[in-house]
Amino acid sequence: GDSVTQMEGPVTLSEEAFLTINCTYTATGYPSLFWYVQYPGEGLQLLLKATKADDKGSNKGFEATYRKETTSFHLEKGSVQVSDSAVYFCALRMNYGGSQGNLIFGKGTKLSVKP
Amino acid sequence: DVKVTQSSRYLVKRTGEKVFLECVQDMDHENMFWYRQDPGLGLRLIYFSYDVKMKEKGDIPEGYSVSREKKERFSLILESASTNQTSMYLCASSPRVTGASNQPQHFGDGTRLSIL
Repeated sequence: GDSVTQMEGPVTLSEEAFLTINCTYTATGYPSLFWYVQYPGEGLQLLLKATKADDKGSNKGFEATYRKETTSFHLEKGSVQVSDSAVYFCALRMNYGGSQGNLIFGKGTKLSVKP
Repeated sequence: DVKVTQSSRYLVKRTGEKVFLECVQDMDHENMFWYRQDPGLGLRLIYFSYDVKMKEKGDIPEGYSVSREKKERFSLILESASTNQTSMYLCASSPRVTGASNQPQHFGDGTRLSIL
């Protein structure tokens, strides 16, 4: 079945370090891909999204490119801040009528950024 | 902005009690979802609904039921709470998916439920 695999955490970085969180997917068709972020004590917020191959989603300095050839959607940020400390979830949604918008999530990667 | 409101942030109940978790969204979304979030397991879909009075089982429906009497409200019911249902519960909503729609799901802040 369809699935999402993301790198296990926790990930601990110093402020201004470069961030990569790997995400790969398995899907029978052509999904839309999402990154969600969960700050401590809160629900999930959409961080960025991409709907087709080679699309790049970006927001708040984060970027991810939909790579069909490697079935990947890795999250990157050039210079992290303490305020980026959160749990990051990669997710996919199949784009066919029967899917009803169901998301398939990875297990989440906890990021801690130290000053 | 879309607002998804869950009735309680924290809830403590006893084993065997019937527990209701309420979720309301204000954007006229057709789809609503209930997930539970556990360390190391990520988010798992319990139930979803794509229309009033419609419901579909997700990946882990056992021990739960749902109710969608009005479009804006989706309730999760623990028929007889057990300690293994201690978890964070997240509600979400989204518009109906059409074709290659990239409309995201919008989440509430979650209810941390403890069953003693």
